Amino acid sequence: GENVEQHPSTLSVQEGDSAVIKCTYSDSASNYFPWYKQELGKGPQLIIDIRSNVGEKKDQRIAVTLNKTAKHFSLHITETQPEDSAVYFCAASIKGGSYIPTFGRGTSLIVHP
Amino acid sequence: GAVVSQHPSWVICKSGTSVKIECRSLDFQATTMFWYRQFPKQSLMLMATSNEGSKATYEQGVEKDKFLINHASLTLSTLTVTSAHPEDSSFYICSGGQGTGEQFFGPGTRLTVL
Repeated sequence: GENVEQHPSTLSVQEGDSAVIKCTYSDSASNYFPWYKQELGKGPQLIIDIRSNVGEKKDQRIAVTLNKTAKHFSLHITETQPEDSAVYFCAASIKGGSYIPTFGRGTSLIVHP
Repeated sequence: GAVVSQHPSWVICKSGTSVKIECRSLDFQATTMFWYRQFPKQSLMLMATSNEGSKATYEQGVEKDKFLINHASLTLSTLTVTSAHPEDSSFYICSGGQGTGEQFFGPGTRLTVL
């Protein structure tokens, strides 16, 4: 089955800096890669996703890149703000597998004001 | 964006009782609903996947007789934890999808079994 590795487990940055979280996956058939933000005591919120037919996607301060050959994808957050502090999860899934996701272990992002 | 609600947001019960958690998709029809369990500082663990009108598919190691899942309509799924014990205490989260990959998560239900 699919295996998703996520690094780092904890990331501490100063407000205004950029943050990068990286994930690798094992199943080359995976074709959908979402990123979720989870605040304490709440459910995850989809913040951006990418499909295997594109290499990069951007939404304001958030971007995701995908390297299918190397089987890794990354989340980039620019101009970080304290409200970006949360746990971020990456996931990989396959259309043929009913898009059942395999999640990474999460990255706790702390943005210091 | 798509909104999913869960009820209750938290529940405390005595050991041996059953607890039902409702998950509703408020502004879309969820052809598939997912139930997760999450322990503190850990990732989401998929418990089961259910399609409307069909029996749920449980992940390996999840007791289907203990965690009863019903997906009666395209907007409602329920999870019943039967004969709950302290080790069932956890954060339970549902999500809904429409077969496109995106999943929209509920706010979660904190279950504490005394």
